[in-house]
Amino acid sequence: GQNIDQPTEMTATEGAIVQINCTYQTSGFNGLFWYQQHAGEAPTFLSYNVLDGLEEKGRFSSFLSRSKGYSYLLLKELQMKDSASYLCAVRDEAGTALIFGKGTTLSVSS
Amino acid sequence: GAVVSQHPSRVICKSGTSVKIECRSLDFQATTMFWYRQFPKQSLMLMATSNEGSKATYEQGVEKDKFLINHASLTLSTLTVTSAHPEDSSFYICSATQVNGNTIYFGEGSWLTVV
Repeated sequence: GQNIDQPTEMTATEGAIVQINCTYQTSGFNGLFWYQQHAGEAPTFLSYNVLDGLEEKGRFSSFLSRSKGYSYLLLKELQMKDSASYLCAVRDEAGTALIFGKGTTLSVSS
Repeated sequence: GAVVSQHPSRVICKSGTSVKIECRSLDFQATTMFWYRQFPKQSLMLMATSNEGSKATYEQGVEKDKFLINHASLTLSTLTVTSAHPEDSSFYICSATQVNGNTIYFGEGSWLTVV
């Protein structure tokens, strides 16, 4: 079966760094995605990893280890507006739907 | 601007009626679109895969006769919630992938409230 795990909630302060972990067990693997979602809105694409290693994009970075079924999203220089839900999603075959984890609600305080 | 447009963004309907939600890819052709449902404070749950010109594939536990999906063209998929019930109140969102592409685009989502 498909299983994607990530912490339910995390808290951090402005300016800090936070790492959101995601582990997955899927029948196949064709990419891991991270999305940000604010309450009541559609998810916004953050990153895509299909090969092992770190992908950096501004304040956000995402890491993938396929052998460990593990990814993390790293958020640097946290801002209040980063308070949102962060969704880890895996595609097990090309052209198929994303399977989402339950999401991690991040609360950033001043 | 949006590359996948969803309409309506919000809809209120009475119990027992049907409501249609449209998902359009604006500047690309999408042979496959996906429909998700999200209840408050929960993640996106895949309902069905919509294939242009053929029947949709439904996930386990999703009633195909209740959630009718039509993908009549390469740019439009529709989800019709039939005999709506208050339990169907949820956030419905579609996504689409370009042919031979990796990027996945999401629509803006549709809030359905059944009263």
